[in-house]
Amino acid sequence: EAGVAQSPRYKIIEKRQSVAFWCNPISGHATLYWYQQILGQGPKLLIQFQNNGVVDDSQLPKDRFSAERLKGVDSTLKIQPAKLEDSAVYLCASSLVREQFFGPGTRLTVL
Amino acid sequence: GENVEQHPSTLSVQEGDSAVIKCTYSDSASNYFPWYKQELGKGPQLIIDIRSNVGEKKDQRIAVTLNKTAKHFSLHITETQPEDSAVYFCAASRGTNFGNEKLTFGTGTRLTIIP
Repeated sequence: EAGVAQSPRYKIIEKRQSVAFWCNPISGHATLYWYQQILGQGPKLLIQFQNNGVVDDSQLPKDRFSAERLKGVDSTLKIQPAKLEDSAVYLCASSLVREQFFGPGTRLTVL
Repeated sequence: GENVEQHPSTLSVQEGDSAVIKCTYSDSASNYFPWYKQELGKGPQLIIDIRSNVGEKKDQRIAVTLNKTAKHFSLHITETQPEDSAVYFCAASRGTNFGNEKLTFGTGTRLTIIP
C-alpha cells in the first residue's frame, strides 16, 4: 500500500514570497490533516478535512495560510506572504478511522 | 484546549536497558493516546496506542500504561536496540472512531541508544 505522498520535499523562499505544498493521501482515506512542525516541537494541527469539507481550521492563520482539498483526494496548502516564523516542516497525514498516517513532510526555510 | 506535557526531552540509555517516557494531559475528556516515532527526515510513525477503557497495552518490546485518574500515560521500551534511537512523541485526542481526531502532541523525547 502506497503511503502519503508530499511534494516538494524541500523549499527555500524569501519572506513575503508565496509557496504551495501538495499532498496525496492514502487511497480511500476520507480524513486529511495538515500539521506544522517547528524545529524541536511536536506537530501542530493547522487544518483537518473530511472528504471535501473543513472539519477544523481553528489554528490556521487565515490571513496568510489557505488550504483546499479538491474532489476529496489531493490537497494543497498555500502560504502567502511567507514570514520568517513560517520556517518549519509541513506534514500531511490521512486516516481511515483513528490511526493517522504521515507523509515525509516538506521542509520550508524562509530567509 | 488540550495541553500535553512530555518528559524527558532527551534520554540516553545503554543498549539492552529499558527506556521510559512520560506524558501528562489536561483534558479529562481525552480518550485516545497514541505514541509516534519520528526518524530523521521522516514523518511520525505510529508505534502503539491506547484507549481510555484500557490501563495497559503491550506489543513485543513496547508497552504503554494509562492512569486516567492522574491524567498521565507512559511509554516503556524494553531491551533497547540501536534502531530505537529516534524522537518519540505522545499525543492525546477526544475524538471518535470515525476518523475525526484532533491530536495534540507533546514536545518530543530524543532517545539515544548507546551501543
